[in-house]
Amino acid sequence: NAGVTQTPKFQVLKTGQSMTLQCAQDMNHEYMSWYRQDPGMGLRLIHYSVGAGITDQGEVPNGYNVSRSTTEDFPLRLLSAAPSQTSVYFCASSSRGRGTEAFFGQGTRLTVV
Amino acid sequence: SQKIEQNSEALNIQEGKTATLTCNYTNYSPAYLQWYRQDPGRGPVFLLLIRENEKEKRKERLKVTFDTTLKQSLFHITASQPADSATYLCALISGSARQLTFGSGTQLTVLP
Repeated sequence: NAGVTQTPKFQVLKTGQSMTLQCAQDMNHEYMSWYRQDPGMGLRLIHYSVGAGITDQGEVPNGYNVSRSTTEDFPLRLLSAAPSQTSVYFCASSSRGRGTEAFFGQGTRLTVV
Repeated sequence: SQKIEQNSEALNIQEGKTATLTCNYTNYSPAYLQWYRQDPGRGPVFLLLIRENEKEKRKERLKVTFDTTLKQSLFHITASQPADSATYLCALISGSARQLTFGSGTQLTVLP
């Protein structure tokens, strides 16, 4: 059981570069989301999706884009990386129904220099 | 403004004792509250869910209480072990939303 798979695990970017963080789940979950985790700040929601073709913004969406063309995949795009985007990024998925547990990937540690 | 606060960033206790972690919230009306465990370099892992109409939930050595009047949840680990050392996160789901809103976490260290 792979669960939620994120790639890459580590990435260093230069300011202004763009990149895509990949997230895939094999549990047929409708709901997927991206969080960033910074020291002392907890997990903050960037974008989420309630199903293929449907995405919405979370608490901190600026500088990030998402799309959901399939149930399995939910990539996060950094359009023009900034040092403020240095963080650990987590993708999560959960099944239909409110209150169901979220399954998280292992995270991507991104450094923007 | 909405806020979720977890008690002290770090909590040290002796092995065998009961660890009690606190999650307080303001300006939320959560329908559900969840607790997660996070180990260094890993993603959070779900532990327990408690609903707004439930006072207490248990799972093995874990117990969660939920007091919507006090706007507080307590998370207890009884007979704590060094393997329980981790960061524990509370998360709320409020209203009709699906999204989880997380506290900043409490780092628990169980000393042998």
